[in-house]
Amino acid sequence: EVQLVESGGGLVWSGRSLKLSCAASGFTFSNYYMAWVRQAPTKGLEWVASIANGDNNPYYRDSVKGRFSISRDNAKSTLYLQMDSLRSEDTATYYCTREENYYSAPFDYWGQGVMVTVSS
Amino acid sequence: DIVMTQIPSSQAVSAGEKVTMSCKSSQSLLYSENKKTYLAWYQQKPGQSPNLLISWASTRESGVPDRFIGSGSGTDFTLTINSVQAEDLAIYYCEQYYDSPWTFGGGTKLELK
Repeated sequence: EVQLVESGGGLVWSGRSLKLSCAASGFTFSNYYMAWVRQAPTKGLEWVASIANGDNNPYYRDSVKGRFSISRDNAKSTLYLQMDSLRSEDTATYYCTREENYYSAPFDYWGQGVMVTVSS
Repeated sequence: DIVMTQIPSSQAVSAGEKVTMSCKSSQSLLYSENKKTYLAWYQQKPGQSPNLLISWASTRESGVPDRFIGSGSGTDFTLTINSVQAEDLAIYYCEQYYDSPWTFGGGTKLELK
């Protein structure tokens, strides 16, 4: 059974940093692209960043470029999101998601989500 | 960025009804080289994570009941739920994965009449 378990969320002051982790199990992690998708309170879904299975060429939405960094440790089957210079508009539930093993694919599995609250 | 527009934003239904909801993209999601349409539908029940229902505009994921039908092409797409069940009350999102940044529609919330 595919499982994605996020951790690392919490309350942080504006301008500070936070690092999210996602522990994956039930599939061969190194074969899949992975991504983070967020959802602000009572709002819709917004893709944040993705990373290929080979750990090369991560890509980001414009509003987080230069502030967020997605990475992965295939040996530990873990996905990360380093979030720096946080802003109030980054407040959201962050979901770890699995894509297929190629660029341009739907998000076929989702974690339970972790809440990040940025206070000013 | 490709803009995804979902209509209506909410819809009141009774159990057993047939429901249709619309999703429109600001540009075609059909990739001519492989004839694939890069459109997905997700269901998000209250307090839960989203769940992928349909990919490639019309391919149901494993385990998704056959009352869920995705259709459409180009820029206009429809999710149909034949004979809505109480467990189908949720928010439904469409998403394009044709071009980065991947974008979602605003969602259609299905409520009880």
